[in-house]
Parts: sequence; structure tokens; C-alpha cells
Amino acid sequence: GQNIDQPTEMTATEGAIVQINCTYQTSGFNGLFWYQQHAGEAPTFLSYNVLDGLEEKGRFSSFLSRSKGYSYLLLKELQMKDSASYLCAVRARPPGAGSYQLTFGKGTKLSVIP
Amino acid sequence: NAGVTQTPKFRVLKTGQSMTLLCAQDMNHEYMYWYRQDPGMGLRLIHYSVGEGTTAKGEVPDGYNVSRLKKQNFLLGLESAAPSQTSVYFCASSYRDRADTGELFFGEGSRLTVL
Repeated sequence: GQNIDQPTEMTATEGAIVQINCTYQTSGFNGLFWYQQHAGEAPTFLSYNVLDGLEEKGRFSSFLSRSKGYSYLLLKELQMKDSASYLCAVRARPPGAGSYQLTFGKGTKLSVIP
Repeated sequence: NAGVTQTPKFRVLKTGQSMTLLCAQDMNHEYMYWYRQDPGMGLRLIHYSVGEGTTAKGEVPDGYNVSRLKKQNFLLGLESAAPSQTSVYFCASSYRDRADTGELFFGEGSRLTVL
């Protein structure tokens, strides 16, 4: 099976930088995703990494190290609207599986305070 | 462009009742998924489909059945609802996993309470 770990909660100050870590153990790895989910709403796609390195998209960046089974989401210039849960998800095709499956971590609830 | 639409948005059932959640997508996606989300558990895959007429079990399939008779629709059925099935259900769809990113597009969710 797959094991995905991320912190349950984090708090950061408006205007600051926050890094949300995600570690995973899986076989047949085929990509790591970050999703944002505001309370009571559906998750929305933030980023995708399949190769090692940093992907930057505006205020958000995501990093992947496949050898370490590690990723982080970096949020810069935090705004109050960034208060949400951030979900790490791993896509993999386990041995014997017919197709890829996306497995989500439990999510990190980020609170941005003034 | 509606994207992914789930109906109903809210439903209250009594133990033992049956119901069907409907998911419809207008993006011509091959893949469709049903997830449930519970506090402290994250999103867990119930069933998924890689194309019309095909379905497969996910992580937590027990107590649920699904059907994909048309490419745009994916139905999730509860034959005999139990309180443990109280949850928020999300449908999602994506393009077939080839060279694309496999980004999932989610519906707004269906909140189900079983008394």
C-alpha cells in the first residue's frame, strides 16, 4: 500500500513564507500533486511534480525528491485567503494494478493570522 | 461549462435505506472517481472507472456499488445505508493517464447523513 504523511495543522503570519512537507512511501510512483481545499468546498489543483526539482507557479512552489520520497509546498507572501487545507496526493500504479491510482494524504490545515 | 456536477448536494437517510448519487461531467474525460472525505481521514477512493462500461474498486469499496453506463455519468449507489457511511462524497474526473498531468477535476461534493 501507500503511506503519505503531512503535518495536521500549521499556523503562519500574513506576508510570511510557509513550507508544508509531505513524505510518502509507494511503489510504481508516477507523480505528486498538491491540492488546496477551502472549508466546505471541493479540492482544487495547485501543482504537479513528476521529476526531481522545483516547480514555481506564482506565489506557490512545489519541490520533489523521488529518492527521498519527499515533497514540499512553499507558499510565499501569505494572504488571509490562503487559509485552507493543503492535500498532498501521490499517483502510482501498484504491482498488479490495472491503472494508476491517486492516493491523498490527510491534509494540512493552514491558518494564516494577521 | 458546467465541469463536474453532483446531485444531490445534501441528503439525510435512515439506516437501511438505499440511494444513488449521480455525477455528470461534460469534459469528455475518460476517468471518473468517487471519493469520500471524513474528518482526520482525508480523501479515500471508493471506486473508479477508466472508461464507459468499466469500474474498479478503490481503497474503501465495501457497502457501495457503481455503474458507468455512459461516458459522462458515474453513479454511486448505497444499497443499505449505515451510519458509518455518513460522509462528504466527492466525484472527480480526469483525462486518461498518458503524458498529461492527470489533474483531477472535482465536483462540489454531496453531504450524506445516515441516521
